[in-house]
Amino acid sequence: NAGVTQTPKFQVLKTGQSMTLQCAQDMNHNSMYWYRQDPGMGLRLIYYSASEGTTDKGEVPNGYNVSRLNKREFSLRLESAAPSQTSVYFCASSPPMGNAVGGFYGYTFGSGTRLTVV
Amino acid sequence: QKEVEQNSGPLSVPEGAIASLNCTYSDRVSQSFFWYRQYSGKSPELIMSIYSNGDKEDGRFTAQLNKASQYVSLLIRDSQPSDSATYLCAVSKGNKLVFGAGTILRVKS
Repeated sequence: NAGVTQTPKFQVLKTGQSMTLQCAQDMNHNSMYWYRQDPGMGLRLIYYSASEGTTDKGEVPNGYNVSRLNKREFSLRLESAAPSQTSVYFCASSPPMGNAVGGFYGYTFGSGTRLTVV
Repeated sequence: QKEVEQNSGPLSVPEGAIASLNCTYSDRVSQSFFWYRQYSGKSPELIMSIYSNGDKEDGRFTAQLNKASQYVSLLIRDSQPSDSATYLCAVSKGNKLVFGAGTILRVKS
């Protein structure tokens, strides 16, 4: 009954260091997403994966890479961290679009990763 | 112009009152609309979804959608201090969501 699991919950990096944020979901969802949340700017999409084997850029992809390892796991990598990447990162997943009016059922979010780059 | 706009607040209401939160969006082809609640330091939690024009009620929450005017609203009846949070409006764009920056709601006891 875990839903969407993110690790780590907190991380402090030095400028130039690299790290990978991990995300896994156990709801058999097709689509997975990475967002960052900054004060006053809301949630902004970094990358998403509509299905296993596909990834696409979102609104703010620069400085990030992603890997959809399998249906369950979607990781976000910072190759050379910068202070501008200090943020709270959320992973989310959603089921396939369905036949209901509107067709989209929304996201389930992970608990987030608070990243500070100094 | 932002794709999804919300008044940042804070919106302060007394306990027991109705809180009214509003959201406008720019993409006319959007089909699915959501309200998320986010407590400080926590992740967003889905509280309402709406797909058709009109009202949708769930307990103390009512979502309202007007596609012609491109706005979505959330009414919270009998507001409680535990409703104090940031409320995020989200609008579908294909199989993705675009979020507003959120409205801070404070319910005073």
